[in-house]
Formats: sequence, C-alpha cells, structure tokens
Amino acid sequence: GAVVSQHPSRVICKSGTSVKIECRSLDFQATTMFWYRQFPKQSLMLMATSNEGSKATYEQGVEKDKFLINHASLTLSTLTVTSAHPEDSSFYICSALRQGTYEQYFGPGTRLTVT
Amino acid sequence: GIQVEQSPPDLILQEGANSTLRCNFSDSVNNLQWFHQNPWGQLINLFYIPSGTKQNGRLSATTVATERYSLLYISSSQTTDSGVYFCAVYEKLTFGTGTRLTIIP
Repeated sequence: GAVVSQHPSRVICKSGTSVKIECRSLDFQATTMFWYRQFPKQSLMLMATSNEGSKATYEQGVEKDKFLINHASLTLSTLTVTSAHPEDSSFYICSALRQGTYEQYFGPGTRLTVT
Repeated sequence: GIQVEQSPPDLILQEGANSTLRCNFSDSVNNLQWFHQNPWGQLINLFYIPSGTKQNGRLSATTVATERYSLLYISSSQTTDSGVYFCAVYEKLTFGTGTRLTIIP
C-alpha cells in the first residue's frame, strides 16, 4: 500500500508555456500533499503544502502566482508551472501524507526541461 | 529554521561491507524519516523513526531524540543499495544534505 503516482514523468516545453503536473495517491486518502523541487546533486526543497479544499501554503521565496497548486480531492493535487522559463527546469516531486499518520509517501518525480 | 546535517556526504564501499550513516538535527523533533533515493529519483521510505530503534532486514535505524541524532545502519551492502540516503524531519519535511552511497561489486 501507500503508492503515489505522478504524471508526466518527463516533460520538455518551450519558454513561456505552462505545464501541469498531477500527483495522485492511489490506495489511500491524503488531505495533505506536498510539492518539492530538487536540483541536480542537491537535497529536496519544500515548495508548498497543499490541503484538500483550501488554498496551498507556500514556502518563503516560492512565487504562488507562478506555481499554481490545486488539491481538488483527497487523492489528487496538481502543480501548474505558469509561463515557464529555463530556470524553472528541475525535478519536481510530490508527496502525500497518509491520513492519521506523520508518514509521507513520495511520487516518482517529474523532470521538467524548459527550452 | 531547523538545520539537518548528514554525514558522510559520500561513501564508497565494497559489496558485503557494513555502513553507518548519521543525521544530526539542531532542534527537537517529533517526526523523522529515512529515505533512499534510487538512481531514477524515486524516494523510497525506509523508516519512520522519531525515537527508538527499528529493523527491517539488512537495514536498521536508531534515533536518540534527546541528543538530536539518528543513525541508519546498512549491513552486507549490495549494489542495489547505491543511491542517496536522506533523513528528513518535521511534518513539513525538512531534508538533510544527504549521503551518496556507492557500492562497488
């Protein structure tokens, strides 16, 4: 149990376009999901906390108008990178907090390349 | 905010060797997890261990919360153990700096 999927796994887009990434908890409900960003050979940095049915909470320095987060159901959160630029190229990873626990389970990640 | 430091940053071992990875954190925590990030980027949960000791096969972990550190032990290393090991603390996980483990056949 505790499987989290992400789609797409890899995306290449042109500068100025928007990209949507989906994160789904497949076999459990998650009122809270998290979005992280990881640069090569670096650790994960939390971008935002996504709560089902309410607005996301963004970490300091993360532009909420650029990284739109929607958590419409107990099993789905989406991250939209709007007007992407090359500096947004990164590995984006979501996680889901299993209800009633403190354990987070991670999706396989999405590698975004903006040309 | 809390600081999470891991050591060593890099570790290269022969297959079959044992290893100990350390995670130090600067404040008290009520949540600590260990993860293995495989070469494809997938994070795999190893342990949820805010305190005490747990074992799962060749892996075990100990957290001494009062002294603000946690240890991950890997015994009889296999090449599939290669990757980056992270500890992370708090409900909004703050990740450590990671230990890159390479197991040589």
